[in-house]
Amino acid sequence: SQKIEQNSEALNIQEGKTATLTCNYTNYSPAYLQWYRQDPGRGPVFLLLIRENEKEKRKERLKVTFDTTLKQSLFHITASQPADSATYLCALDPLGSASKIIFGSGTRLSIRP
Amino acid sequence: NAGVMQNPRHLVRRRGQEARLRCSPMKGHSHVYWYRQLPEEGLKFMVYLQKENIIDESGMPKERFSAEFPKEGPSILRIQQVVRGDSAAYFCASSRDSVGTDTQYFGPGTRLTVL
Repeated sequence: SQKIEQNSEALNIQEGKTATLTCNYTNYSPAYLQWYRQDPGRGPVFLLLIRENEKEKRKERLKVTFDTTLKQSLFHITASQPADSATYLCALDPLGSASKIIFGSGTRLSIRP
Repeated sequence: NAGVMQNPRHLVRRRGQEARLRCSPMKGHSHVYWYRQLPEEGLKFMVYLQKENIIDESGMPKERFSAEFPKEGPSILRIQQVVRGDSAAYFCASSRDSVGTDTQYFGPGTRLTVL
């Protein structure tokens, strides 16, 4: 069956450390993968998109990798801050088309001071 | 430039009533997507619309649910004869071009509670 899996347990990180979140998928061949941030009671906010021919993408303190062989994406936040605490969602296009994207269930990240 | 607007933010309905959720996309955006999110779960795709057309409704239940995006006015997600299982947060997103080629922006959501 087709699945997108993210760390189901919450991730607790000390401020200043690098937080690494994992997104694994099975039986999909996505053309791209996206990462979003969602705060409680709010809609998701787009962070980064990485395409299948890109190994890595960076944006300020964020870094995303995409390994189509392992069917995995890693999302890193360097020099983490308490304000980074949120739920992070990965999403991909299930059919390689642009008509819709499928979301993982998200990983809750807590950065403690 | 105002973001994606959704109203109402909170909606309470009794079983059997109709729920009507509205979404105004960002200015210049003609692609609208509706998602449903249950507590502690990810977003589930429901339907993708362009002006006056349903492009993909594969995630929307065949019965009781309908969506439209008229030439003028907001997109509407309609749930008829609501049941308790319909209680969830419903998010709308919009993009200028189709998702994958352009970023989609989410609204704040409508939280539907069915009593």
